Amino acid sequence: ETGVTQSPTHLIKTRGQQVTLRCSSQSGHNTVSWYQQALGQGPQFIFQYYREEENGRGNFPPRFSGLQFPNYSSELNVNALELDDSALYLCASSLYRARRNTEAFFGQGTRLTVV
Amino acid sequence: AQSVTQLDSQVPVFEEAPVELRCNYSSSVSVYLFWYVQYPNQGLQLLLKYLSGSTLVKGINGFEAEFNKSQTSFHLRKPSVHISDTAEYFCAVSENTGNQFYFGTGTSLTVIP
Repeated sequence: ETGVTQSPTHLIKTRGQQVTLRCSSQSGHNTVSWYQQALGQGPQFIFQYYREEENGRGNFPPRFSGLQFPNYSSELNVNALELDDSALYLCASSLYRARRNTEAFFGQGTRLTVV
Repeated sequence: AQSVTQLDSQVPVFEEAPVELRCNYSSSVSVYLFWYVQYPNQGLQLLLKYLSGSTLVKGINGFEAEFNKSQTSFHLRKPSVHISDTAEYFCAVSENTGNQFYFGTGTSLTVIP
């Protein structure tokens, strides 16, 4: 149990719809990263948030967007869903302090299926 | 640009035998290296990491890895595996300590009784 919780655990959406995934970071952590893990693949870095600002982004289109709230929880929003967006979405939190990040702790993920 | 290659997609091994999971990386800058484990329907758990210092890194559950800069490798080893080690293992690199990882495609380790 890492203290990072994601909701929902599973959901099914139709192509073209929009989805919001949520992540509650571990207590004391101020940085949240999101990853997409397609079936049989390694996780791919989507983006990271620190102090409510985007702090790095992977090779994902603008229809992938995010938010970080004052309590450091985070949302991942995906617009205009495509079939290839079907994946496990993982959230990881860590503490950034003194120009270093502590170990990242991952949640159990949200399994998104687009039909 | 960074990339990670895990040379074996599946590794079957008998219980109590040794195992090595291979990882090679490419990067134009110095990197930090990590191994994560993922059990079915779970998130990722850190096994070990190399940031600097000794090239032999020891992690949890009896795993260790050796950083070889000349061969750009970071292979994971365990001298004697247990049934509970059956899982997916991911090698990852980061060019800073910001926890922005680039992962390999994973190695499925199956321990046979």
